Amino acid sequence: GNSVTQMEGPVTLSEEAFLTINCTYTATGYPSLFWYVQYPGEGLQLLLKATKADDKGSNKGFEATYRKETTSFHLEKGSVQVSDSAVYFCALLGIQGAQKLVFGQGTRLTINP
Amino acid sequence: GAGVSQTPSNKVTEKGKYVELRCDPISGHTALYWYRQSLGQGPEFLIYFQGTGAADDSGLPNDRFFAVRPEGSVSTLKIQRTERGDSAVYLCASSSEAASYNEQFFGPGTRLTVL
Repeated sequence: GNSVTQMEGPVTLSEEAFLTINCTYTATGYPSLFWYVQYPGEGLQLLLKATKADDKGSNKGFEATYRKETTSFHLEKGSVQVSDSAVYFCALLGIQGAQKLVFGQGTRLTINP
Repeated sequence: GAGVSQTPSNKVTEKGKYVELRCDPISGHTALYWYRQSLGQGPEFLIYFQGTGAADDSGLPNDRFFAVRPEGSVSTLKIQRTERGDSAVYLCASSSEAASYNEQFFGPGTRLTVL
């Protein structure tokens, strides 16, 4: 079945550092890929998405590129801020009518000033 | 406009009791989803409705779990004979239609604790 594997956390960085959170997936065909973020005390929010191979999703300075050849969707940001501290989830939505999001286990990110 | 709302925000119950968790989706959204998130894990799919009907209930763990959406809007997740292992945050999401490019909007969740 479909699955998502995320880089294990927690991850702690200093402000303005470069961020990468790795995500790889296993799926039949070409699923849609997502990064969701959960800020402290808030619900899950969509951060960015890509629906086909080589698409790049971007939002709030974050980027991720859908790499079919490596089945990856790594999240990157060039200069993180304290306000980026949150839990990040990689997820996929399968094809063939399946509407269920399959999530990775989440990566807790803490940015220190 | 209003987002997805869930009530109650917290529910504490005793083992063996029955609980109902409610979800109010975004107005006009035809697709509604329930997920369960255990501590330190990502959300896991339970069930998905398109309109009033359950289009996919393959994630319901056993027959103690049941969900309804009688009028195609509000949904209720029902858990009978609760067990300690049912303790988790139950998340509801909705989308404008069930398609891979349509964002699922999540509610804040109901934290269920079974003592």
